[in-house]
Amino acid sequence: DVKVTQSSRYLVKRTGEKVFLECVQDMDHENMFWYRQDPGLGLRLIYFSYDVKMKEKGDIPEGYSVSREKKERFSLILESASTNQTSMYLCASSRPGQGIETQYFGPGTRLLVL
Amino acid sequence: SQQGEEDPQALSIQEGENATMNCSYKTSINNLQWYRQNSGRGLVHLILIRSNEREKHSGRLRVTLDTSKKSSSLLITASRAADTASYFCATQDPSGGGADGLTFGKGTHLIIQP
Repeated sequence: DVKVTQSSRYLVKRTGEKVFLECVQDMDHENMFWYRQDPGLGLRLIYFSYDVKMKEKGDIPEGYSVSREKKERFSLILESASTNQTSMYLCASSRPGQGIETQYFGPGTRLLVL
Repeated sequence: SQQGEEDPQALSIQEGENATMNCSYKTSINNLQWYRQNSGRGLVHLILIRSNEREKHSGRLRVTLDTSKKSSSLLITASRAADTASYFCATQDPSGGGADGLTFGKGTHLIIQP
């Protein structure tokens, strides 16, 4: 079974802090994604990566950056956390094949920015 | 950007009854997928239906796709308390080549009353 793990289930940070959210997958997937999930807004794509050191902006990249130095690890960075970044963050990975994409999700990190 | 829209937003039924959720989307798709999310957890892939398919079954799940109406439905038969969760449809843009992710709807929250 594919396993996607996220470094923290719950995180509390203060406004202005630099925040790192880590995601690791163990199935050698090429693609990795970061979403945030908010009530009434569903899942919104922040960034994705289709290879090591490659990254692409999603729908809401502002205030975030990412790093993919190794294939199995995809980090989401909040350079200066703000209260409007309080949210549930979900990481996912996939292996593209024949143009079909099924994503495997981690358990999520619930971030509270005070 | 959001494409899929689930309907209804919330659904409460008695255990043993069938649950039907609908999804509408706006542009052409490569495939449509349904995911389940238990409270506070990540999403789990349930079933995928390709754009050239009309119906697909998996256990107690039945998915239909009508590309002319740009809509899909998910039927869960003989519901159980463990089916209580949020259900999301997700579409894949055929031009994406499988590398640029899925577009998720806002979800239907299903409650199964014992």
